[in-house]
Amino acid sequence: DSGVTQTPKHLITATGQRVTLRCSPRSGDLSVYWYQQSLDQGLQFLIQYYNGEERAKGNILERFSAQQFPDLHSELNLSSLELGDSALYFCASSKDPSSYNSPLHFGNGTRLTVT
Amino acid sequence: GQQLNQSPQSMFIQEGEDVSMNCTSSSIFNTWLWYKQDPGEGPVLLIALYKAGELTSNGRLTAQFGITRKDSFLNISASIPSDVGIYFCAGANSGNTPLVFGKGTRLSVIA
Repeated sequence: DSGVTQTPKHLITATGQRVTLRCSPRSGDLSVYWYQQSLDQGLQFLIQYYNGEERAKGNILERFSAQQFPDLHSELNLSSLELGDSALYFCASSKDPSSYNSPLHFGNGTRLTVT
Repeated sequence: GQQLNQSPQSMFIQEGEDVSMNCTSSSIFNTWLWYKQDPGEGPVLLIALYKAGELTSNGRLTAQFGITRKDSFLNISASIPSDVGIYFCAGANSGNTPLVFGKGTRLSVIA
């Protein structure tokens, strides 16, 4: 158990809808990362937060947004969903992103299916 | 952006065999990490490497941080069925830049 909790585990929704994925980081970790994993693709970095502030942005679509709350949990919002958004969405956390020997620990992901 | 080339893409091996996979980059990294992903789960950290030339073991797993800082390899000795999964390499330059992941090596072990 990595200590990173993601809910829900599975989500099935229709095109055009909006969903919210939730992540609770490991106790003591201040930084949260979101990654997308599509079939036959590696892990694509979406966005990173540190202590409530956006730290880095990757290949995140404008239809997607995220935030990190004062209690350090994070939410990833996906709107105007398209079939191609179907994927596994992972959250990861780390203690101190300014230190490169603070590796990421991943949750078990949310599997999103858009029909 | 930075990309990691991971090979092979997939491997089928007999139980008991040794396995080797590697990761190369066109640019240098200060940190190399190896993760394993089991079906339906998130990636789990196996080994972290922080110094060029470093060789680190974790049980039957051994990984090395290449001298050029542009590559890393992972060896698994005496493979067992539970080694099945996808192995990802990842690199980072500093804590302020996100990890870059390879596309993974899918390992299948035949009993």
